[in-house]
Formats: sequence, structure tokens, C-alpha cells
Amino acid sequence: NAGVTQTPKFQVLKTGQSMTLQCAQDMNHEYMSWYRQDPGMGLRLIHYSVGAGITDQGEVPNGYNVSRSTTEDFPLRLLSAAPSQTSVYFCASSPRTLNYEQYFGPGTRLTVT
Amino acid sequence: EDKVVQSPLSLVVHEGDTVTLNCSYEVTNFRSLLWYKQEKKAPTFLFMLTSSGIEKKSGRLSSILDKKELFSILNITATQTGDSAIYLCAVYHNNNDMRFGAGTRLTVKP
Repeated sequence: NAGVTQTPKFQVLKTGQSMTLQCAQDMNHEYMSWYRQDPGMGLRLIHYSVGAGITDQGEVPNGYNVSRSTTEDFPLRLLSAAPSQTSVYFCASSPRTLNYEQYFGPGTRLTVT
Repeated sequence: EDKVVQSPLSLVVHEGDTVTLNCSYEVTNFRSLLWYKQEKKAPTFLFMLTSSGIEKKSGRLSSILDKKELFSILNITATQTGDSAIYLCAVYHNNNDMRFGAGTRLTVKP
């Protein structure tokens, strides 16, 4: 199994550009989430989904949109990139919503200039 | 405000030493506490704790949760250079919220 995959691995954007970070899992997991990781701050939850068609905001949702049209895919959209969005982004999935370990993708390193 | 605090932020030890990493939390509607190890890329799961006083163990690693005092510890005995990583503590709370600590960077020297 591929597990959780993310594309691209690296991306450089100019301020104001938009882009979509892709995330897919092949484990039929219900719960998927997006995190950003900044130095000294651990991981912070951006958005999550408890199943196809259902999304909700996490701790730091501003500037990001998500959708969950299928169980497998959970893309993260940056509407108008800002330098403050320079970070490493991780997608994760887990079988259920509570009390289950999450499986993380390899991450996308995004730089906004 | 919900928060998860890990200490120390960094730690340097020598092979064979025993280390204790700390995680304290203040969250609403606690559900579970998880430990992850992060080497160069994605975090990998170590333990999930939901009940106080029950030790989880895997090889040289062990962890325990105290829900009264709101903390958990992760112990690593007989450390090896391969244990060098960032150790992350995360707390599941409310319905579907997960809050991570900043992590402890462990360096094990030969």
C-alpha cells in the first residue's frame, strides 16, 4: 500500500499566487487532516474531515480551503499565498475520528516569496 | 486556551543514558494523548494513552499518563544514536481537535 501520499514535495510561490497541495490515502480512512509545521511550534491543525463531504476548521484555518469529495482525496488550497504561509505541510489520515493513531504523509515544503 | 507543553525543548545525552520527556496539557474534553517520533520527515506513531496509570511499553520506550495531574512522560532507556529525533506529544480533545506540543529534540551522542 502507498499509505498517505502528498504532492508536490517542494513548491515556491510568489505572494498572491494560488495553488493546491494534493493529499491521497489508499487505506479507506474516514478521518483526514492537514497540519503545518513551523520551527519551534510543533504541528498545528489547519482543517480536517471526518468523511466525504464533511470538513471543519482546525486551529489555524485562515487563508486555506479544503474539500472532501471522495474518501481518498483531501486537497488543501491556498487562495492567495502570503510569506506567513511558508511552512512544511503534512497531511494525515486515521481509520476513525477519535482515539486512533494518525498516518502522516511525507510533507510538502512550501516557500512563499 | 487549550495548550500542550513539552519539556525540555532539547536534550543531549550519550548512548546508554536513560531519558524522560515530559508533556503537560490543559484542554477541554480530553480524549487521548499520543506520542510521535519525527526523524527527518513525517511523524511516526509511538503510543496512545487514554487511561491513567497504565504503562504502555515498546522495547526500550515506555509511556504513562496521569489524568489527575494532566501530564504524560515518555521514557527511553539505554538510548542509541537511532533514538535521535524530535518527540512530539499530541492531545485529542473536544470532538475532533488535536493539539500538538512544540516537541523535544533529542540528540544521542555515541
